[in-house]
Amino acid sequence: NAGVTQTPKFQVLKTGQSMTLQCAQDMNHNSMYWYRQDPGMGLRLIYYSASEGTTDKGEVPNGYNVSRLNKREFSLRLESAAPSQTSVYFCASSEAYDGLAVSTDTQYFGPGTRLTVL
Amino acid sequence: RKEVEQDPGPFNVPEGATVAFNCTYSNSASQSFFWYRQDCRKEPKLLMSVYSSGNEDGRFTAQLNRASQYISLLIRDSKLSDSATYLCVVNLHNFNKFYFGSGTKLNVKP
Repeated sequence: NAGVTQTPKFQVLKTGQSMTLQCAQDMNHNSMYWYRQDPGMGLRLIYYSASEGTTDKGEVPNGYNVSRLNKREFSLRLESAAPSQTSVYFCASSEAYDGLAVSTDTQYFGPGTRLTVL
Repeated sequence: RKEVEQDPGPFNVPEGATVAFNCTYSNSASQSFFWYRQDCRKEPKLLMSVYSSGNEDGRFTAQLNRASQYISLLIRDSKLSDSATYLCVVNLHNFNKFYFGSGTKLNVKP
């Protein structure tokens, strides 16, 4: 049982390049999330997916796209990377599903992807 | 204004000390509250949920004050292994929207 896995662990891009961050969970969770973490800013939600086939914007969606490929996988794409997107990216999942607010719902995080855009 | 505010610290305490962190949140519609722990260059992990009546887990006690819109975390008998950043997390009525504070750094010294 691996929990939440992310690839790659590290990446360096040049401005304008594109890439996809991959995330997978094996806990049969319904909801998945992408966050970025910058020094002094805490984690900020980029996009989330409440269930397979649905995605919604979070706080900071500009410059990103996502795809919920199936229940297990949720990818994040940078179409044209910019230096402002240099950050640590975390994927997370939780059991929560549409129509039920699980007040004690726990988010489980992947190990993160450290992205540098030059 | 940030949804969740925390004192960034660092809090430098000796082993065995008691230390408390506070966190304030801006939206009175917030429904769920959590403390996460994050070690250096690692992912956040749930430390404990925070219930209205307050709750305790070993050396850790969490309290919620809805009227003043703050939550607290008390750590008793600090251990070296408690050194980490503690993140306050708040969830609004939309359960998919989790807001994280920027974290409070704790250093426990021998």
